[in-house]
Amino acid sequence: GQSLEQPSEVTAVEGAIVQINCTYQTSGFYGLSWYQQHDGGAPTFLSYNGLDGLEETGRFSSFLSRSDSYGYLLLQELQMKDSASYFCAVGLGSARQLTFGSGTQLTVLP
Amino acid sequence: DAGVIQSPRHEVTEMGQEVTLRCKPISGHDYLFWYRQTMMRGLELLIYFNNNVPIDDSGMPEDRFSAKMPNASFSTLKIQPSEPRDSAVYFCASSLGVSPYGGTEKLFFGSGTQLSVL
Repeated sequence: GQSLEQPSEVTAVEGAIVQINCTYQTSGFYGLSWYQQHDGGAPTFLSYNGLDGLEETGRFSSFLSRSDSYGYLLLQELQMKDSASYFCAVGLGSARQLTFGSGTQLTVLP
Repeated sequence: DAGVIQSPRHEVTEMGQEVTLRCKPISGHDYLFWYRQTMMRGLELLIYFNNNVPIDDSGMPEDRFSAKMPNASFSTLKIQPSEPRDSAVYFCASSLGVSPYGGTEKLFFGSGTQLSVL
């Protein structure tokens, strides 16, 4: 089977840095992805890690350690618009479909 | 490109009625996915297609659910008969394919269909 764990809620203030962790257990692994979803909206792609290390895209970075079955999403210079749910997702086995974590609700305070 | 297009945006129906959700993927994308999102169960993969062929439907909850992809630009998800527990947001997503590392690198989601079964 497979499972992903991420915190349910995180709160931070504008301008701060926040890290959202994700641990996974899965048989067969094809990368770790991160998606953002605002209330009432659709999930949108943020980043993908196929190999160990850090990927940076503007204010957002994502990290993967396959040996630790662990990754994180780092959001810098937080803005109010970053308030949303953030989902980690892993690609499974030979099927290539994504399984999503339960999501982390990020609240950015002024 | 207009992105993944889903219709209708909202659907309210009565228990026992047939519901059909529609999806137009991004042109050129080889993979199409149907997801369901609820507070209790999060985002669940129902079924996905590769080049119009269903690959894995193990997430389809019951025989009441069926999905088709008659061509590369259109897919439907049908629920017959519908039940109140089917109430959820149904997302369609498409993808260009797998990444160099073997995973599905990036899904593009439609705006979803909010289904309410009374």
